[in-house]
Parts: sequence; structure tokens; C-alpha cells
Amino acid sequence: DARVTQTPRHKVTEMGQEVTMRCQPILGHNTVFWYRQTMMQGLELLAYFRNRAPLDDSGMPKDRFSAEMPDATLATLKIQPSEPRDSAVYFCASGWPGQGYEQYFGPGTRLTVT
Amino acid sequence: TQLLEQSPQFLSIQEGENLTVYCNSSSVFSSLQWYRQEPGEGPVLLVTVVTGGEVKKLKRLTFQFGDARKDSSLHITAAQPGDTGLYLCAGMDSNYQLIWGAGTKLIIKP
Repeated sequence: DARVTQTPRHKVTEMGQEVTMRCQPILGHNTVFWYRQTMMQGLELLAYFRNRAPLDDSGMPKDRFSAEMPDATLATLKIQPSEPRDSAVYFCASGWPGQGYEQYFGPGTRLTVT
Repeated sequence: TQLLEQSPQFLSIQEGENLTVYCNSSSVFSSLQWYRQEPGEGPVLLVTVVTGGEVKKLKRLTFQFGDARKDSSLHITAAQPGDTGLYLCAGMDSNYQLIWGAGTKLIIKP
């Protein structure tokens, strides 16, 4: 049963600290997405990669957020320095070109910045 | 900017009732996906509709894509508590990006 995995599932940190979230996409999927979900804003696309190349990161605050894909099995989202307004659930999703470019989501990382 | 409006935002009904959730836009989409999200989990794809006028059924759930491919609906027959969750629609634009609706929070009371 292929699934997207994310670590950590929960993270509590203090303002100013660095946070790194990791994602393992489903094997064979060549597109990886990072989303942020909050009650107020809903699901927001932060960045996405195709064949490990960043295609769009316009949804990401550039000064503090960075996303990378060091290899096909790992995507990372880093926040440095973190702020209380970054508190949200961060989802990674993967997919592949095909009918509808369907996306498969991980369980998310719930981030709380105090 | 393309927008996808979902309605209602919140719906609480009794078990056994029927309901319809709507997803509307002024933009044309090449396809439209419906997801369900349960608390503490990521959204799970339910269905993709591609052709204008297409109707797909998933047990008690019926999905329809508008003829002009600008809108979609999800109808649930005889809702059950297990249907409780956040339902999200997402339209695929010409750049192969998903435009997400804000979601409909559905609660089915036993």
C-alpha cells in the first residue's frame, strides 16, 4: 500500500528556531507539492517540484521558507526563523502526469510555534 | 485569479438525509477532483471528473461535472456518520495546477 510519509507528525518550537519537515513521496511519482492548511486560509500551495526541479514557489514566503528535493525519495521544507504565524498543518502530496494529475497526500506535520 | 467557490461552507444533518455540495467557478477547468479529509489526516482523493456533463458514482456519492466544465456537485444519498469530514473540490487549470475550494465541513449526526 503505497503512501506519502511525512516526519515529524507534530512539532512544537519556539519563535526564531529552525524547523525542517520531511516528505517521502510515493515511488514513481515525479511531482511533489507542499501545502499549508489553516482554519482561516484553507489549503494553500506553497511550492511544487517536477522531476526534482522547483517549478513554482510563489506561494512561499521567500525570506524564511525554503524547499528542496535532494533526491527523488526526499523532499524538505525548512522554515528559518520560525514565527507564530507559521503555525499550521503542512502537507506534502505527490502525483504524476496523467488524467487529472491526481494528488496523494501525506498525513501532515502539525507545527506550533510559540 | 481563478477562484473555486464551495457551498455550503458548513452542513450538519441527520443520518439518512440527502445532501448536495456545490463547487462553482467562472473559469473552465480541464478536470475537477473531489477530496475528503478527516481530522488529523491529509485529503484523500474520491474522484476525478474530466468530461463536461460527466456523472460518476461512488456507492452513495454522485459526482457531476457541469456541461461547461465550470462547476461540479457532490450529492450524498442517505448520509451516514462515516461520511463526516471536510469535502474539498479542486479544479485543474491550463497550467496543470490545482485551484482549491475552501471546503465544506460536513457533520452527519447519528
